[in-house]
Amino acid sequence: GAGVSQSPRYKVAKRGQDVALRCDPISGHVSLFWYQQALGQGPEFLTYFQNEAQLDKSGLPSDRFFAERPEGSVSTLKIQRTQQEDSAVYLCASSPLLAGGPETQYFGPGTRLLVL
Amino acid sequence: AQSVTQLDSHVSVSEGTPVLLRCNYSSSYSPSLFWYVQHPNKGLQLLLKYTSAATLVKGINGFEAEFKKSETSFHLTKPSAHMSDAAEYFCVVSFNTGFQKLVFGTGTRLLVSP
Repeated sequence: GAGVSQSPRYKVAKRGQDVALRCDPISGHVSLFWYQQALGQGPEFLTYFQNEAQLDKSGLPSDRFFAERPEGSVSTLKIQRTQQEDSAVYLCASSPLLAGGPETQYFGPGTRLLVL
Repeated sequence: AQSVTQLDSHVSVSEGTPVLLRCNYSSSYSPSLFWYVQHPNKGLQLLLKYTSAATLVKGINGFEAEFKKSETSFHLTKPSAHMSDAAEYFCVVSFNTGFQKLVFGTGTRLLVSP
């Protein structure tokens, strides 16, 4: 596709349930980012991949959050034992790796997660 | 530390009147700054970016922003608002930690009335 796609677009989970959120970046983009956007707030950085390598996961709020990008394209953000405070929109972005920088990040539509 | 402050959570204008969305930044060195727009149920879209070239940056849909180092500001303007401009706008600073990490402001919701 032409842009970043994410699935599912909406997810309702019961507290304690595990969820997996998928991101398909723009083809050929080396960099991939995950962000969390709470209601009424700006997105906050979660983690960064360069190809399959996770170079920064400093924004992951707890060890219940895990992200992977095993083949350097599609990425999955997994949240184990979901809590109500995990309710948010999860955004994925990708960018080409340019020597000159700064890279423009292209965002997907997000997955809206509601934990009941 | 890098951060941005968006001074208004909501801005209301009438169609055809000028738009001003305010942003101040804090950065320990020369920053890269962006404005993104978020329409309901759509992804964030880049409006414009400043990368230490021209201080007046022109973006899409008639928006522009001026980088003022002395005021640490990067306000977004548009001469004449259109109904389709109603959305959430985010001022963003990026800094290089081996990659471009984006730090978002809290957003300004632009309301446009007929």
